[in-house]
Amino acid sequence: DAGITQSPRHKVTETGTPVTLRCHQTENHRYMYWYRQDPGHGLRLIHYSYGVKDTDKGEVSDGYSVSRSKTEDFLLTLESATSSQTSVYFCATAGGQETQYFGPGTRLLVL
Amino acid sequence: QKEVEQNSGPLSVPEGAIASLNCTYSDRGSQSFFWYRQYSGKSPELIMFIYSNGDKEDGRFTAQLNKASQYVSLLIRDSQPSDSATYLCASPGGSARQLTFGSGTQLTVLP
Repeated sequence: DAGITQSPRHKVTETGTPVTLRCHQTENHRYMYWYRQDPGHGLRLIHYSYGVKDTDKGEVSDGYSVSRSKTEDFLLTLESATSSQTSVYFCATAGGQETQYFGPGTRLLVL
Repeated sequence: QKEVEQNSGPLSVPEGAIASLNCTYSDRGSQSFFWYRQYSGKSPELIMFIYSNGDKEDGRFTAQLNKASQYVSLLIRDSQPSDSATYLCASPGGSARQLTFGSGTQLTVLP
């Protein structure tokens, strides 16, 4: 357990509203990642960060933005939520090794 | 684009049997692989990683990497009902060690 928390853990929102998910880590890990997990697709990378204010797009970044103003926090924003963004979102971190540690996840339902 | 494929299962084995989970990959440059276990409703947790050709054993788990044939496998000996979970293989790459995941194999160990 790399001391990763995610908030909120569950959220229901309506189409068109903005949503921000927060990932907080206490391990001082340099790398942070946001994934979404959907049935039949495994885990897909949305965005990642390799340092404060250093972020880049992953495989499925459309409709998402991220920010990292502090080492410990990585925010994922859905600018205007759509039903296709209903998913389970996982944050992960990695330090000096390649091993990634995952947070508990956030279940998001967009109605 | 790097691809990681898993036999999606589901796979059922009786208690005490050997469970064999397989993964193939497209990128010949891939140097290492991770196996994560994910219980229903939980986040992925790392169980094994392998960097070199051949076998790596850790308790009841053995990871096998064959770079020539581009496959990696996970064997679980003396399978227990508590091993019932989805198993994900993943390969790291990129400047931030991003992971590319397979879609996962759901394993059920029958008592």
